[in-house]
Amino acid sequence: DVLMTQTPVSLPVSLGGQVSISCRSSQSLVHSDGNTYLHWYLQKPGQSPQLLIYRVSNRFSGVPDRFSGSGSGTDFTLKISRVEPEDLGVYYCLQSTHFPLTFGSGTKLEIK
Amino acid sequence: EVQLVESGGGLVQPGRSLKLSCAASGFTFSNYYMAWVRQAPKKGLEWVATISTSGSRTYYPDSVKGRFTISRDNAKSSLYLQMNSLKSEDTATYYCARQRGSSGNFDYWGQGVMVTVSS
Repeated sequence: DVLMTQTPVSLPVSLGGQVSISCRSSQSLVHSDGNTYLHWYLQKPGQSPQLLIYRVSNRFSGVPDRFSGSGSGTDFTLKISRVEPEDLGVYYCLQSTHFPLTFGSGTKLEIK
Repeated sequence: EVQLVESGGGLVQPGRSLKLSCAASGFTFSNYYMAWVRQAPKKGLEWVATISTSGSRTYYPDSVKGRFTISRDNAKSSLYLQMNSLKSEDTATYYCARQRGSSGNFDYWGQGVMVTVSS
């Protein structure tokens, strides 16, 4: 199974600040079709996860441009700029290149 | 508007069975792969099962293979998860999710349904 290592576990941030979350995979996420199936989710308290970024760097419908994704191969980053109160929660990365699909263990974004 | 509404959760004894349902609306259900993802209390997310558009292909992790069965009824826009031989470690909130192809992301999620396996 592909192990997804997310860091940090907890990320204190000041409103208006900028943060980065790292997600590293134990093997390359480049699919045989040439795409890289690495995605990012936010789970706000008491809610279902919501898709933020798909295939490394594509923002999902309605996601503000404060969120950006980058990376390749086994090393990926989610960057959040101008953090707002509604950004707080737990962020997860997901790889869907290889079965079984696997999630990172999560990064909790909280107010400093 | 895409809507996914799960039902069928509850308290069940170890070794018993339970069947979850997910009613979909707001999109052409038969055009999409569908999946189940679960989250144990205070824990992270775990993929449980995926089914192709026609239902002819299904995928599971080893943790549930042979015990869980995903199925769908495209005429009813409904997704199901039959869970047999339940264990305490299956206790979780189960989410129904729309999946963009076999290698795709989960772009819409239901609100989740709680399953508690305990004697």
